[in-house]
Amino acid sequence: QKEVEQDPGPLSVPEGAIVSLNCTYSNSAFQYFMWYRQYSRKGPELLMYTYSSGNKEDGRFTAQVDKSSKYISLFIRDSQPSDSATYLCAMSGTNAGKSTFGDGTTLTVKP
Amino acid sequence: GAVVSQHPSWVICKSGTSVKIECRSLDFQATTMFWYRQFPKQSLMLMATSNEGSKATYEQGVEKDKFLINHASLTLSTLTVTSAHPEDSSFYICSARPPGADTQYFGPGTRLTVL
Repeated sequence: QKEVEQDPGPLSVPEGAIVSLNCTYSNSAFQYFMWYRQYSRKGPELLMYTYSSGNKEDGRFTAQVDKSSKYISLFIRDSQPSDSATYLCAMSGTNAGKSTFGDGTTLTVKP
Repeated sequence: GAVVSQHPSWVICKSGTSVKIECRSLDFQATTMFWYRQFPKQSLMLMATSNEGSKATYEQGVEKDKFLINHASLTLSTLTVTSAHPEDSSFYICSARPPGADTQYFGPGTRLTVL
């Protein structure tokens, strides 16, 4: 079983929809949780970063972490075609350690 | 924000040759850089952790004699794929962590095609 599980999708939504992306994990030592966006043939771009449990909002993006359930989510409000990309969750046990990545969810937002 | 560059962005080489990929942190010093490999429609696979001034730490199953990593300065790490074969064709991405930062920032990646 993988340490981090992420539904690969693909996920297709109409423009303006609310998108929910999720990851589950098994390692209770994870404390740092990240979401990256990766466009085709590009390196991942950091979107959101959260330490421990809680919510964090940045514009149209909201990240949630529930450590008791070992479950993290990324919500995208008012989704745009430009949000079409692969979204990777990542987590680590320390702020200096290596990160473990999910397999990524491919999202398509249709105009 | 933190910017990481890679060079070249793509390279095609013949089987048996060696290829060097550079990873640079442009606006910060990075004592630690990471090298990843990504196959189409798959996630990132960590290959090694590059530490400035010391030997790289390789993940299990990664051949250190084939994938040579040199972190000679606080802003530059290089990955050399030695005696490349077609199965080494992949997307190679580096990342770096700014001092005091909790997260890592990725380069744009290098696409390697071995004929």
